[in-house]
Amino acid sequence: SYVLTQPPSVSVAPGQTTMITCGGNNIGSKSVHWYQQKPGQAPVLVVYDDWVRPSGIPERFSGSNSGNTATLTISRVEGGDEADYYCQVWDSSSDHFVFGSGTKVTVL
Amino acid sequence: QVQLVQSGSELEKPGASVKLSCKASGYTFTSYSMNWVRQAPGQGLEWMGWINTKTGNPAYAQGFMGRFVLSLDTSDSTAYLQISSLKAEDTAVYYCARRGPDTSSWFDYWGQGILVTVSS
Repeated sequence: SYVLTQPPSVSVAPGQTTMITCGGNNIGSKSVHWYQQKPGQAPVLVVYDDWVRPSGIPERFSGSNSGNTATLTISRVEGGDEADYYCQVWDSSSDHFVFGSGTKVTVL
Repeated sequence: QVQLVQSGSELEKPGASVKLSCKASGYTFTSYSMNWVRQAPGQGLEWMGWINTKTGNPAYAQGFMGRFVLSLDTSDSTAYLQISSLKAEDTAVYYCARRGPDTSSWFDYWGQGILVTVSS
């Protein structure tokens, strides 16, 4: 089955930029989606189709995808961005949706 | 506005069964498939399966075949997840999530989640 690999955690100071990676075999050939999940809440879609932001998501959230790595970038980080972030793809070979293991973003 | 409202928390004994509901509103229920995602305590998101809301046909992820059944009541715009022969390891939050439009592969709306606790 297809595996998505994320770093367990990243730390960032307010106002700085952080990048969360999502590794997978030839992931650049797939559409990658990103979700933000705050404690006790349901996940929220923040980027879909590699880089598209849903309505209401700040421009500070952006995405890219190439080769074996997709990246979610959060610019001008705020305290409210502290959350777990998950990448997700559709694996056509298994007809399964797959989530990454998640990355906890801590704002210092 | 689109809403997915899930039923309340459940406390069940091992071996029992539970049926969780997810009531949709604010859109045409049969135009979007419904998915279910499990999150064990302190763990990540795990896709369980989906159900075609037009045909009622379900499909299950590996690891969720046998004891897990997805169903619908289209007259009430509600999706269900039934879990039988509950085990302690089924303790988790269960989310319903709507798949996006057309051939999209993302989940655009999520229910608030249902905590299922399995304990004797």
